[in-house]
Amino acid sequence: DVKVTQSSRYLVKRTGEKVFLECVQDMDHENMFWYRQDPGLGLRLIYFSYDVKMKEKGDIPEGYSVSREKKERFSLILESASTNQTSMYLCAGGDRAQYFGPGTRLTVL
Amino acid sequence: TQLLEQSPQFLSIQEGENLTVYCNSSSVFSSLQWYRQEPGEGPVLLVTVVTGGEVKKLKRLTFQFGDARKDSSLHITAAQPGDTGLYLCAGRRGDMRFGAGTRLTVKP
Repeated sequence: DVKVTQSSRYLVKRTGEKVFLECVQDMDHENMFWYRQDPGLGLRLIYFSYDVKMKEKGDIPEGYSVSREKKERFSLILESASTNQTSMYLCAGGDRAQYFGPGTRLTVL
Repeated sequence: TQLLEQSPQFLSIQEGENLTVYCNSSSVFSSLQWYRQEPGEGPVLLVTVVTGGEVKKLKRLTFQFGDARKDSSLHITAAQPGDTGLYLCAGRRGDMRFGAGTRLTVKP
């Protein structure tokens, strides 16, 4: 079975902290994605990567950065967490279909 | 404004009822996918439709892609409590775009 894992299911951070969200996939896919999910807004694409060391901005990249040093690992970084970044963060991998991890519910106080 | 509009936003029905949820857009998509997301989990792919007018069945679920490839519907026959979840549609136009979802509750 395809598997995408995320480092934490729940995180609580304080405003201004640097936050790392890790995602690992075992599908050997080039493509990986980070979304945030908010009620009524659906999934919004933050960043994606089509290859190692490659990254592209999605629709809402402000306040975020990413790192893809290895094919299987795609990290989302909140440089200085703010309360409006409280959300569910979903990592996905895949091409024709997207396989999602279980999500990280981040709360920024 | 969402590229993909899903309706209804919420739906609560009794076990055994039939229902249809919709995914509409003014844009044409090369393919459209439906996902189901359960609380505390990521979305799971149910089906991909590619051809205009295509109909796919997955047990009690029937998916249809509009002739013009701008819209899709999901029909569930004899809904069960296990069908409860958030149903998301996603269209591909180069990249993938998601709707906000229909939250379905099926009461026993």
